[in-house]
Amino acid sequence: GAVVSQHPSRVICKSGTSVKIECRSLDFQATTMFWYRQFPKKSLMLMATSNEGSKATYEQGVEKDKFLINHASLTLSTLTVTSAHPEDSSFYICSARDLGGLMYEQYFGPGTRLTVT
Amino acid sequence: AQKVTQAQTEISVVEKEDVTLDCVYETRDTTYYLFWYKQPPSGELVFLIRRNSFDEQNEISGRYSWNFQKSTSSFNFTITASQVVDSAVYFCALSEKGNEKLTFGTGTRLTIIP
Repeated sequence: GAVVSQHPSRVICKSGTSVKIECRSLDFQATTMFWYRQFPKKSLMLMATSNEGSKATYEQGVEKDKFLINHASLTLSTLTVTSAHPEDSSFYICSARDLGGLMYEQYFGPGTRLTVT
Repeated sequence: AQKVTQAQTEISVVEKEDVTLDCVYETRDTTYYLFWYKQPPSGELVFLIRRNSFDEQNEISGRYSWNFQKSTSSFNFTITASQVVDSAVYFCALSEKGNEKLTFGTGTRLTIIP
């Protein structure tokens, strides 16, 4: 089946620094990738939709200058949390849609747990 | 706007009991897709099932079964003869045709007591 990887799986950073999270589709091409955020014991909230070669579409309330998304190729999207603060600590999950697959199919990565100290 | 409600926040049952997780959805579209995902403590989302709005047939996969009722906008999930490995958070999700976004419910934390 389709595999999506995320790197790193876990990261701890100091307040004020920036952190980049990678999302890769390993065995398929993805024109569209999605970034979700999950607080402890909460649901997944869509942050943004990342389209290859164009600007990401952010959900209401998500700061695009704080959460920079780049989708430079058909297999890679990155999320950079800029000037991270403790309130940015969360579980970030990406998903990818197979270019050759069904429109509603999304394959999820294993997630990245970010802790900002 | 689409919405998914999972009213059960936490459920605990003794091993081998059957358990049903409820999911109620709202959508204005006539074409949509419903999903169930399992999230074990490791955090990775495990896909369980996808249903489109035109297929109301119930589905059974081993100990798992799903009951889709358009009349009540529900897509409930039943685990029979529960096992400890079934302990996880289960999410119901909805996607409307033409809109790739997945809307998740708040999840149900299921604990199977040995």
